[in-house]
Amino acid sequence: AQKVTQAQTEISVVEKEDVTLDCVYETRDTTYYLFWYKQPPSGELVFLIRRNSFDEQNEISGRYSWNFQKSTSSFNFTITASQVVDSAVYFCALSEMDSNYQLIWGAGTKLIIKP
Amino acid sequence: NAGVTQTPKFRVLKTGQSMTLLCAQDMNHEYMYWYRQDPGMGLRLIHYSVGEGTTAKGEVPDGYNVSRLKKQNFLLGLESAAPSQTSVYFCASSSPTGSPQRNEQYFGPGTRLTVT
Repeated sequence: AQKVTQAQTEISVVEKEDVTLDCVYETRDTTYYLFWYKQPPSGELVFLIRRNSFDEQNEISGRYSWNFQKSTSSFNFTITASQVVDSAVYFCALSEMDSNYQLIWGAGTKLIIKP
Repeated sequence: NAGVTQTPKFRVLKTGQSMTLLCAQDMNHEYMYWYRQDPGMGLRLIHYSVGEGTTAKGEVPDGYNVSRLKKQNFLLGLESAAPSQTSVYFCASSSPTGSPQRNEQYFGPGTRLTVT
């Protein structure tokens, strides 16, 4: 069965430090998508990135970068030079073609950036 | 272009009362979803729909019913509310076609429901 594990329940760092959020997934499908969403204290869900299973290229967007490794079934998210505004809960999610692309969510990692 | 909207934003119910949550999207998406999020947890899928007139059960469907009479609307009903249904409810929509937004789910702002 498909599953998404975010082992880090909470991470606290001081502003300007780099931080990596881990995501490990399980799937038997060969066609799937991985996502990261951000949920700030205000509660809305903000889409950050989507990756499909055929594209293992790492991606960088400003201070954010993502490392997708099929060999270890991981899709880790790094924030470089963290800022207080990065404080939020971050969710990793998986969707598979065979299940009508339902999103399976990890439990989330609460990131606290201290000034 | 409002995206995904949810009505109401907040609601307090007494045990046994019923209510309907409305989700509307203006992106012409085929797929729509209802999730619940309990404190400190990720989202869990309640029901979803892959097109007008169709619905399917998700991970936690018990105690809820849904209807998709129009493509742009997805309704979530609670027939007899229970305290265990206290949660934040999110609606989302997506399209299985098109690029680059294919399969990306767009979320509404959420409805905070308390059942006493």
